[in-house]
Amino acid sequence: GAGVSQSPSNKVTEKGKDVELRCDPISGHTALYWYRQSLGQGLEFLIYFQGNSAPDKSGLPSDRFSAERTGGSVSTLTIQRTQQEDSAVYLCASSLGLGAQYFGPGTRLLVL
Amino acid sequence: AQSVTQPDIHITVSEGASLELRCNYSYGATPYLFWYVQSPGQGLQLLLKYFSGDTLVQGIKGFEAEFKRSQSSFNLRKPSVHWSDAAEYFCAVGARRGSYGGSQGNLIFGKGTKLSVKP
Repeated sequence: GAGVSQSPSNKVTEKGKDVELRCDPISGHTALYWYRQSLGQGLEFLIYFQGNSAPDKSGLPSDRFSAERTGGSVSTLTIQRTQQEDSAVYLCASSLGLGAQYFGPGTRLLVL
Repeated sequence: AQSVTQPDIHITVSEGASLELRCNYSYGATPYLFWYVQSPGQGLQLLLKYFSGDTLVQGIKGFEAEFKRSQSSFNLRKPSVHWSDAAEYFCAVGARRGSYGGSQGNLIFGKGTKLSVKP
């Protein structure tokens, strides 16, 4: 079956602009996660959605970051007023219950 | 707080040689444990996972890992490395979050071990 997909695969933006990153999880998976991967910080958890529960936003680095998940499926991560330190690979993953997390290919964000 | 340590940043092995990548974790209870592999420019691929039961788990591509509670370790092994195994390997721990409907919650990752394979 289809895996996790993310779009765009690459995004170049100017400092101060807003960006939206999209994640399509594996069909039927109830949990969806966003992570960020950068050279200096490794893999960091950002936010987590599980079913209809309130999302766990404990990993978001600032209030410029937000995410939503519509209809329990597709998710969008929004970064407002981008900064150069936001440059990273943004990875999305999904899982079913206690199952393992399966990752998408990531979106490579470069803020100039 | 949970943490994962991968002591080796970079390892080089010869093709056909055996491999062991080290992973130590810090967690107050029995965690969920994972190994992922990432090839350049790619996402993370799950190699294997430990949830409970047999402490020796088999994964894809001939990899296995052993959970040792007394050592808080989950080392990854392969008896004979192939050139295509060159990649970066990440160990991760997931918390057990019953309040979230039994989901494992977010993962905490180690910094990764880059594996190079000599011909």
